[in-house]
Amino acid sequence: EVQLVESGGDLVQPGGSLRLSCAASGFTFSIFLMHWVRQAPGKGLEWVSRINAEETTITYADSVKGRFTISRDNAKNTLYLQMNSLRAEDTAVYYCARGAGGFSYADYWGQGTQVTVSS
Amino acid sequence: EIVMTQSPATLSVSPGERATLSCRASQSVSSYLVWYQQKPGQAPRLLIYGASSRATGVPPRFSGSGSGTEFTLTISSLQSEDFALYYCQQYDYWPLTFGGGTKVEIK
Repeated sequence: EVQLVESGGDLVQPGGSLRLSCAASGFTFSIFLMHWVRQAPGKGLEWVSRINAEETTITYADSVKGRFTISRDNAKNTLYLQMNSLRAEDTAVYYCARGAGGFSYADYWGQGTQVTVSS
Repeated sequence: EIVMTQSPATLSVSPGERATLSCRASQSVSSYLVWYQQKPGQAPRLLIYGASSRATGVPPRFSGSGSGTEFTLTISSLQSEDFALYYCQQYDYWPLTFGGGTKVEIK
């Protein structure tokens, strides 16, 4: 069974940093594209970033470019999102999601971790 | 970026009735379109990929159609567990973009 478990969400002040983790199990993590997607309170879904299996292709939404860094450790079956210079508008539930084999849409999602940016 | 527009924002339907949800892309995305279902407090669940293919375990009452810029999700006979939020998303271009969602509520 595919499982994705996010952690690391917290309350942080504007300008602060946070690192999210996503532990994967139930599939061969090292061969799949992975995503981060977020959802602000009461709002829709916003794609944040993706990283391919070999870490050679990384893409960010304009809203986080230059502030967030996606990475992965295939030996630990873990996806990361380093978030710097956090803003109030980054407040959201952050989901990690697996890219469907050969395609870029997400077929499995974690339950999410809450990030709140507030003073 | 590709703008995805869903309509209506809210759809009131009685159990057992048909629901038709629409999604429009600002430019052609071919058939690179998925539909997700989201219930309160839960992660999105993949329903349809490639505009018309049902994901594993999705009941046949869910069907998707369309290509290019116009897409439809049809739920043929609404069950109680189908009342939820539905999002379309294109995966033809980066960044991936979602529609604003359609809430299907009980009439």
